[in-house]
Amino acid sequence: NAGVTQTPKFQVLKTGQSMTLQCAQDMNHEYMSWYRQDPGMGLRLIHYSVGAGITDQGEVPNGYNVSRSTTEDFPLRLLSAAPSQTSVYFCASSSNLGIGQPQHFGDGTRLSIL
Amino acid sequence: GQQLNQSPQSMFIQEGEDVSMNCTSSSIFNTWLWYKQDPGEGPVLLIALYKAGELTSNGRLTAQFGITRKDSFLNISASIPSDVGIYFCAGLNNAGNNRKLIWGLGTSLAVNP
Repeated sequence: NAGVTQTPKFQVLKTGQSMTLQCAQDMNHEYMSWYRQDPGMGLRLIHYSVGAGITDQGEVPNGYNVSRSTTEDFPLRLLSAAPSQTSVYFCASSSNLGIGQPQHFGDGTRLSIL
Repeated sequence: GQQLNQSPQSMFIQEGEDVSMNCTSSSIFNTWLWYKQDPGEGPVLLIALYKAGELTSNGRLTAQFGITRKDSFLNISASIPSDVGIYFCAGLNNAGNNRKLIWGLGTSLAVNP
């Protein structure tokens, strides 16, 4: 079982470029989310989805878009990368976060914006 | 955004010592989760707590859901070098169909062999 798979693991972008961070899970989880992790800031929620076709904003959504066309995939798009978006990005999934079912995390994407 | 108060921020201990860390909140939760993050990896669930007063163990780890529902504790007994990492607490109050976990800022643990 692969669990939560994130690609790429590392990426360097120039300011203004766009890119998509991929996230896929094979556990048939309804709930998926994206976090960014910065030193001293812990995990901050960017966007989340409670099921296919449903997305909502988290704590720090500006500069990011998401879509959830299938249960398995939850890509995160940076429309115009900025140096402030340099961070480590984690995707997570849960069978039912609403009743406290824990999230399973991917190994992260380390993104640098020059 | 809302965050939990997690303490201590960092710890440096000798192998074999016991470790204790905690999280407190101004809001009540009905789920507490404890995760560990190793360098270069994503957080991994250690213990999940669902009931006030609940005490749950996972090997050398023991976590408790505070009776007031506003705090939780994680203890590690007889620490070993592989306990090194960052420990995060997270809380959920699912009233009103809430779907967002609240995270602590982490406790960084270093173990001296």
